[in-house]
Order: sequence, then C-alpha cells, then structure tokens
Amino acid sequence: AQSVTQLGSHVSVSEGALVLLRCNYSSSVPPYLFWYVQYPNQGLQLLLKYTSAATLVKGINGFEAEFKKSETSFHLTKPSAHMSDAAEYFCAVRYSGGGADGLTFGKGTHLIIQP
Amino acid sequence: SAVISQKPSRDICQRGTSLTIQCQVDSQVTMMFWYRQQPGQSLTLIATANQGSEATYESGFVIDKFPISRPNLTFSTLTVSNMSPEDSSIYLCSVVPSGRTDTQYFGPGTRLTVL
Repeated sequence: AQSVTQLGSHVSVSEGALVLLRCNYSSSVPPYLFWYVQYPNQGLQLLLKYTSAATLVKGINGFEAEFKKSETSFHLTKPSAHMSDAAEYFCAVRYSGGGADGLTFGKGTHLIIQP
Repeated sequence: SAVISQKPSRDICQRGTSLTIQCQVDSQVTMMFWYRQQPGQSLTLIATANQGSEATYESGFVIDKFPISRPNLTFSTLTVSNMSPEDSSIYLCSVVPSGRTDTQYFGPGTRLTVL
C-alpha cells in the first residue's frame, strides 16, 4: 500500500531562516507528489506538485521541492521564512496519472515561525 | 483553478441525527472525492463520488453511514448518518479538474461538531 511519511510533526524556525519540511514516499513506480498548506480554520491550498516533469518544482509563496527518486523523497524548502508561513503542511501522493485515485496524505507538519 | 464551495461551512448537531453536506464546483471536473479530517489529524479519503452511479468507498467507510450522491459533473453531496461525537471532523470535498488530471483542489471544508 502506498504511504507517505513526514518527518517531524512540528518544525520551528526563526523568521528569515531556511525552511525544510521532509517527505518520503513508498513506491516502486513514479508517483504524483503534492504539497498542500492549511492555514488555521481554512481548507487546503495547493503549494506545488511533481508530475514527472522537472525534478525541481517551484510553487507559490517562494516554496520549492525537489523530487529525488533514489531517496524516494520530496522535501519542501523555502530560503527565508516569513511569519505568514506559519501553518500546517501536508505532503500527499497519488499513483494514477488519470486522477482516478484519491490522494494519500502524510500526517502533516506544523510549521512554527519564531520572531 | 476550480472554485469549490461547500455548504454548510460549519454545523453543530445532536447525536443520532444526519447532516447533508453539499459541494459545488464552478466548472466540470473529472473526479470528485470526499475526505475527512479528524481533530488534529491528517486527511483520510472517504470515497470517490461517481457521476450517475454508486460511490466507491475506502476501507472503513460504508454507504449506510456516508451516503454520497453525484447527480452531475459539478455537484455532490455527502451525508453523515446517525451521527455520534466520533464523527466530529472537518469534511472536505476535492476535485480533479477536467483536462488537468495532474492536480487536485480542495474545498474550504465543513466543520462538524456532534454533541
């Protein structure tokens, strides 16, 4: 069964510091990978996605992620954290290209930004 | 991106009653899904809403508890039946847009509290 592991339920960084949120997936075939952000009391917003094109994917709000097949990873980064980045971040995977399958989500990482 | 609305946005219900949640999309979509997010947890796929036929449920979810309808390409409902406090969650509608099968969007969610 497909699974997604997000290391660290909580990550705390200082404002202006590098943000690194880790995501590993289990798969023997190339997946579709997604990062979503959820602000308090809001729905999920798509940050970025990997769909077998470029391995370095740029998303909204200055975030990017790199697909590394050899490490089965899709870590999310941002060079300089902003207070507004404080939120819950979810990594998700899907194995069908046609969109027929739903997403499998990681447990989420709560990002805390220290002033 | 697809614009998704859900009604109601939140509700407080008594145990033993049922609540129907509506999901409306502003454009035709290929796939519609329903997810549950229990307090402090990640998202779990409940079912795929199939247009004109019975929904496809994930393990642990049954039609008697979560009946789903999808009468057309832009609308779906999820009913939470015979509710108990354990059903208190955020319920989210999600779609794969037509012609954009490499992505998936989420509605704002319905926050349900069962007393």
